[in-house]
Order: sequence, then C-alpha cells, then structure tokens
Amino acid sequence: QSVLTQPPSVSGTPGQRVTISCSGSSSNIGSNYIYWYQQLPGTAPKLLIFRNNRRPSGVPDRFSASKSDSSTSLAISGLRPEDEADYYCATWDDSLSRVLFGGGTKLTVL
Amino acid sequence: QVQLVQSGAEVKKPGASVRVSCRTSGYMFINYEINWVRQATGQGLEWLGWMNPDSGKTGYSQQFQGRITMTSDNTKTTAYMELRNLTSADTAVYYCARSSGFLGWFDPWGQGTLVTVSS
Repeated sequence: QSVLTQPPSVSGTPGQRVTISCSGSSSNIGSNYIYWYQQLPGTAPKLLIFRNNRRPSGVPDRFSASKSDSSTSLAISGLRPEDEADYYCATWDDSLSRVLFGGGTKLTVL
Repeated sequence: QVQLVQSGAEVKKPGASVRVSCRTSGYMFINYEINWVRQATGQGLEWLGWMNPDSGKTGYSQQFQGRITMTSDNTKTTAYMELRNLTSADTAVYYCARSSGFLGWFDPWGQGTLVTVSS
C-alpha cells in the first residue's frame, strides 16, 4: 500500500481529456514539490512534470499538473494512442525521510 | 546529450551481493546527485537512496540501511550501487537516475538493470 494514493487505472478515447489524481498528506505533497513520470511499456520512466506544474523541454503542453493542499492531479488533454503508459507521482516525505512514489496509474487509450 | 548507461543483467543466489554500475556522459558528473530506484516485475517504483559524487555523501531509504552502499568513481564518471544479503524480494529492475538538489526530480534515467535472485 503506497503512502501516495493513485487510481490503479484510467481510460479515455483519442482526443479526450483525462486526469490522474495523487493524494498524500501534509508531510509529503503538502510541503514538497511534486513530480510526475511517464513509463511507456518496457522502458525506463521519463520525467513529465517537475516542481508541481512545470514541463521539461520536449514535453507537449497537452500535459499539465496542479497541486492543492495534500493532493495533486495530472491532466492529459487531446489524448493520443502513444500516451498509453503508466504514470507515477513522486515527492519527498519529511516524516519518512525518503522519496515516495505513488502506486502508479495505467492509462489505457481505447 | 546526457546519458546514463547501466551494467548488464545479474543472477544471484540468496545471501549474495550485487553491484550495479551507472556510467554517465554528457554533463559534469560531480555537479549532480545519482539516485537509485527499483521496480519489481509488474509493480511500482521504489526509491533506494542517493549519493553526491562530489562530497561522497549518501542518503539511504531506511528500509535498506545496513545492506546498501552507493559509491562513485569520478575519474570514470560512474556511479555504483551495491546491495548485500539478497533475497528473492530483491528481484527487480534497478534504475539509476540523475537529480539536482531536489529529491524526487529524476532526469534522465538509465535503461535499467535486471537483478534476479534465485537459488
């Protein structure tokens, strides 16, 4: 059971907008930066969002994130088949003194 | 471009140790930390710890304290992760990843090294 809670799966059709939630507590999401990672099948994770809501160069603006209190959400608009992947939220936890990852959310593009 | 290239797959017996290497290129090695993250088959990501190649400082997840060591050879711009007293629960793909100041910010990642622990 992960300290950061994500839905196991979400799905959408091409062109749709989907959101993936990640909830935690004041000792992690509530007081530290959030990061999102995309892991395509059989590959290493890739940084998608850093410092809560910033995109690295090369990441399309279809990907966005927001943070509120102890939760965060990743939004993907204009869904494409190549977006089908696992998505993980991550942050530091002040109480546990370690980096936490959410359990991961599998996005299926129908 | 920045690249992290890891050593090949390993098969170990329970109780043994494994050392995984992460050879870097394309940036100033001592200016960034190296983190290690693992992923069991079909499971999520688990952070093991970080090391600073410049100072040699390390920070390990409490879960691995006492049986993990992270080091570097700065002349080879290579980081190493050694995990001892292996059990079947340690079977996973191990990734190295670069970070800069903010724990949780990992970019880029190595390609991963499969470590299989089996008798």
